[in-house]
Amino acid sequence: QSALTQPASVSGSPGQSITISCTGTSNDVGGYNYVSWYQQHPGKAPQLMIFDVNKRPSGVSDRFSGSKSGNTASLTISGLQAEDEADYYCCTYAGGVTWLFGGGTKLTVL
Amino acid sequence: EVQLVESGRGWVQPGGSLRLSCEASGLTFSTYAMSWVRQAPGKGLEWVSAISGSGSVTYYADSVKGRFTISRDNSKNTLYLQMNSLRVEDTAVYYCAVNCSGGSCWDNWGQGTLVTVSS
Repeated sequence: QSALTQPASVSGSPGQSITISCTGTSNDVGGYNYVSWYQQHPGKAPQLMIFDVNKRPSGVSDRFSGSKSGNTASLTISGLQAEDEADYYCCTYAGGVTWLFGGGTKLTVL
Repeated sequence: EVQLVESGRGWVQPGGSLRLSCEASGLTFSTYAMSWVRQAPGKGLEWVSAISGSGSVTYYADSVKGRFTISRDNSKNTLYLQMNSLRVEDTAVYYCAVNCSGGSCWDNWGQGTLVTVSS
């Protein structure tokens, strides 16, 4: 099983919105509504931002939202803030009790 | 507040062994499945292994199957990862993480512990 495909980098200015895509196959992203997204600042542990495609854990800003269409999931961050600058990883359940991550996307806030 | 503290970091030669520990607090440990997720230097995240709350069921990524063993001691609120036949490509920061209630994500992570496999 190959890693999910994410863009290596995205950027946006404060206040703008950005979207990070995560592409898999019908056997992983497209087959289950178990996509999650993690934010990771340098030298820190990942933090859960979205689970089950579009659900937010308590404490996560509503500026973060998730969606899925076919084999591609997306994370949208609206009203970009400087503290959003980080690496973002998508993850999906892939059947047979395995999980796949994307390669990660570096978000730069200009 | 959930806290996860990993230990066991170190350097080991290829073919060697190492055991990681993760002590949990702030949660009813035995009711949660747990996982190990690793991150090679400058690379992305990779799920390694998971274990049910009771410890009776375990799962492994193909890359570590047959070499790594996950276990837990619920009386000590501690998760373990026994790593044998280590390879250079196992070099990574290893995170322990609590599976979400539905099992489809990880909502609490440790700070990570570095394992270096090198001759």
